[in-house]
Amino acid sequence: EDKVVQSPLSLVVHEGDTVTLNCSYEVTNFRSLLWYKQEKKAPTFLFMLTSSGIEKKSGRLSSILDKKELFSILNITATQTGDSAVYLCAVFNAGGTSYGKLTFGQGTILTVHP
Amino acid sequence: DTEVTQTPKHLVMGMTNKKSLKCEQHMGHRAMYWYKQKAKKPPELMFVYSYEKLSINESVPSRFSPECPNSSLLNLHLHALQPEDSALYLCASSQEGPRLHNEQFFGPGTRLTVL
Repeated sequence: EDKVVQSPLSLVVHEGDTVTLNCSYEVTNFRSLLWYKQEKKAPTFLFMLTSSGIEKKSGRLSSILDKKELFSILNITATQTGDSAVYLCAVFNAGGTSYGKLTFGQGTILTVHP
Repeated sequence: DTEVTQTPKHLVMGMTNKKSLKCEQHMGHRAMYWYKQKAKKPPELMFVYSYEKLSINESVPSRFSPECPNSSLLNLHLHALQPEDSALYLCASSQEGPRLHNEQFFGPGTRLTVL
């Protein structure tokens, strides 16, 4: 069975701190790893990673994938209170001859205090 | 238009009611998804439609019945639900079907409470 494990489960920091969120996975037919940010409602898409060692960056957020060691990290620098959210990691299993699907990790709850 | 919309935002229903959740996207995406999310848990896949055909049913009870009237619309018909079905129901869409690894865009969800 596919497994996606995130750590830590929760994290409390102060504005300006840098945080690193971890995601490890065991998935057959791995195709891609996605990061989402979920505040009160819908998860919003952050990054999709398919190739090992290539960093994706968007403002203060960046992410990298290690396909050999089966993990990804999401870095947030100079955190702001608006970064407070649940960060979800999801892995796409191509499914072989059948359809693939996303398997989500349990999420990391990030709280940024002023 | 780069969003997925869902109605209603909130729904309270009794165990004998029949109701429907609606989802719409106008991004030309060919795959649409229903997820169920319980509090403090990640989304769990329920159904996938690809090119308007049901391609994945994750062993969901028959009291949940999906329908894809056209490529932009996805419905979830609810009948004889149980209180444990109370959750946030999320719709998502992606450009291509579930054989390809492309990002899924989520709607805001419908918060369902079953009394």
